[in-house]
Amino acid sequence: AAGVIQSPRHLIKEKRETATLKCYPIPRHDTVYWYQQGPGQDPQFLISFYEKMQSDKGSIPDRFSAQQFSDYHSELNMSSLELGDSALYFCASSHLGQETGELFFGEGSRLTVL
Amino acid sequence: AQTVTQSQPEMSVQEAETVTLSCTYDTSESDYYLFWYKQPPSRQMILVIRQEAYKQQNATENRFSVNFQKAAKSFSLKISDSQLGDAAMYFCAYTLFNNAGNMLTFGGGTRLMVKP
Repeated sequence: AAGVIQSPRHLIKEKRETATLKCYPIPRHDTVYWYQQGPGQDPQFLISFYEKMQSDKGSIPDRFSAQQFSDYHSELNMSSLELGDSALYFCASSHLGQETGELFFGEGSRLTVL
Repeated sequence: AQTVTQSQPEMSVQEAETVTLSCTYDTSESDYYLFWYKQPPSRQMILVIRQEAYKQQNATENRFSVNFQKAAKSFSLKISDSQLGDAAMYFCAYTLFNNAGNMLTFGGGTRLMVKP
C-alpha cells in the first residue's frame, strides 16, 4: 500500500539559509499535517491543511510557511534557519471521512542546521 | 487545551514478560480518539493501537491491549510476551474527531527497553 512520502530524507543547511521540505500524502487523503520533533522530544504540531486550506495552526514560527497544492502535496518552507530548527520533521496525512481518526506518518525529514 | 501526560520516561521489561505503560490526558470533550504510537530507532511513527472514547470495550491488537478509563482520563498500554523488537519510544496521543482535521497531541513519550 502507498504510504506518505517525504523528501528529502536528510538535509543539511547553514544558519540563515532556507530549506523546503515536501510531503506527498497517501492517495485520496485530503488532510496533511506537519510535526516537528526535536532531539529527545515528542512531536510538536506545526500546521495542517484540509482541501488546500489551512485548517489548524500550532507552534509554527513566523519564519516558516507551508501550503498544500492542487495535487494535495504539501511543502514546508523554512527561512532564516536557526540552530534550534534542527529536528526531525514529520508529515502525516488522513482522510476526513475516515472514522478511525488515525494519522499516517511519513518517515520524516531530518534537518540539520550548522 | 488538551494535554497528554506520560509519567514514565523509561521502562524496562524482561523478554517474554508483560509491561504496562501509563498515560493520562486532560480534555473537556466527550468524543475523541486515543492512540499509542511506537517510534523505533528508525524514527518512523507506527500506530500500535487506537481507542474510540465512545466505546467502553478496551481495544486489543494481538499482544497489545489498552486499559481505557474514561472517567479517570487514563489510557494505559499493556504489552504481553514482550519481544526484543518492542524496544522503542512509545507515545500516547489524543485527537478530537469532529474537526477539520485530526490534529494529534502527543505525550512526552516512554522509552521501553527489553532485556533478553
